[in-house]
Amino acid sequence: TQLLEQSPQFLSIQEGENLTVYCNSSSVFSSLQWYRQEPGEGPVLLVTVVTGGEVKKLKRLTFQFGDARKDSSLHITAAQPGDTGLYLCAGVAGYSTLTFGKGTMLLVSP
Amino acid sequence: NAGVMQNPRHLVRRRGQEARLRCSPMKGHSHVYWYRQLPEEGLKFMVYLQKENIIDESGMPKERFSAEFPKEGPSILRIQQVVRGDSAAYFCASSLRGSQETQYFGPGTRLLVL
Repeated sequence: TQLLEQSPQFLSIQEGENLTVYCNSSSVFSSLQWYRQEPGEGPVLLVTVVTGGEVKKLKRLTFQFGDARKDSSLHITAAQPGDTGLYLCAGVAGYSTLTFGKGTMLLVSP
Repeated sequence: NAGVMQNPRHLVRRRGQEARLRCSPMKGHSHVYWYRQLPEEGLKFMVYLQKENIIDESGMPKERFSAEFPKEGPSILRIQQVVRGDSAAYFCASSLRGSQETQYFGPGTRLLVL
């Protein structure tokens, strides 16, 4: 069974702060995806990382895929209240479907 | 282009009743996936269907749960004789081709079993 551990589970910060959330596994994934889910809605894909060591930037969000393709991180610079939500990582291994972590709940206060 | 649509958005059932959840994939998508999200837990894969075929049902409980994706019409997730433990958010996703493709999620159906 492939497991994805996300940390921290909860994060409450002030607007303007920086933060990093982590997604770790003992399994290798062919790709890893990050989603954001807002209350009452479905997950929305933010990014897919495929290559070990890959770094992708999406405005104030920086995503990194570990060299061994077992872990990933999401760094947010100068967080804003609109960044509030549940951040989920999901891995794809071979031709299997997505395996999700439990998520990091982020609250950014004005 | 309309996204993935699910209905109803909220469903209340009493123990022992049946629940039917519908999912219309994005236009042109022929691959549908169902996930369940329990409180304090992540999204758990249930079943992967292509038109008229079940590709992978390894995450589906063996009893009371079934899914279909007919040639015409939406995909249906059916839960018979619901129990309180079935209360959860059920999400459908679709992709253009296989499971390696990006999956687009619907808004979910929140099932509450009284």
